[in-house]
Amino acid sequence: QQQVKQSPQSLIVQKGGISIINCAYENTAFDYFPWYQQFPGKGPALLIAIRPDVSEKKEGRFTISFNKSAKQFSLHIMDSQPGDSATYFCAASMNTGFQKLVFGTGTRLLVSP
Amino acid sequence: IAGITQAPTSQILAAGRRMTLRCTQDMRHNAMYWYRQDLGLGLRLIHYSNTAGTTGKGEVPDGYSVSRANTDDFPLTLASAVPSQTSVYFCASSGTSGGAGVFFGPGTRLTVL
Repeated sequence: QQQVKQSPQSLIVQKGGISIINCAYENTAFDYFPWYQQFPGKGPALLIAIRPDVSEKKEGRFTISFNKSAKQFSLHIMDSQPGDSATYFCAASMNTGFQKLVFGTGTRLLVSP
Repeated sequence: IAGITQAPTSQILAAGRRMTLRCTQDMRHNAMYWYRQDLGLGLRLIHYSNTAGTTGKGEVPDGYSVSRANTDDFPLTLASAVPSQTSVYFCASSGTSGGAGVFFGPGTRLTVL
């Protein structure tokens, strides 16, 4: 079963626009929610992460919004740039001291110039 | 340069052959992981190790084995490769303190014919 559901599968945004990717999870024991960015031929790179004790975290143009009651979290990319074109994965894990991440299926983002 | 190295970068393998994917990290992370990435399925955990000398099964462990003789190395072995094991394999590592991020290697692209 897919414990973390991610949408949309693909997304096209104009340069300067806002990219929004959504994820929903089922396991209420998850308490760590990272987002990864992956360029073709490369490994996933940690972008930003949040814990459920806060509703929002911002790092530069990237913001995670977290809704614990709805079991949903989303990634917002403000002022999207062509260099942001990549595949984005949400993930979740329980903080047991080490992290067995459960990933969403990924969103391919294309930012048009 | 601190990070994770994987070898080989890519490999074409005949079905039934034995193959070991190598992974080495120099960040002194206690925890290490193997994921496989398949289109439309995201990344799925194969095996993990939270410290040298211990290993555990992830979501898709069948057909794979691992060992963790020391902190730095975490090889993944396919005892008798099958075409369904065609995938991109990523090794990852993390510290064991709360909130430690999971960092990924560059991947090994494996094709089983």
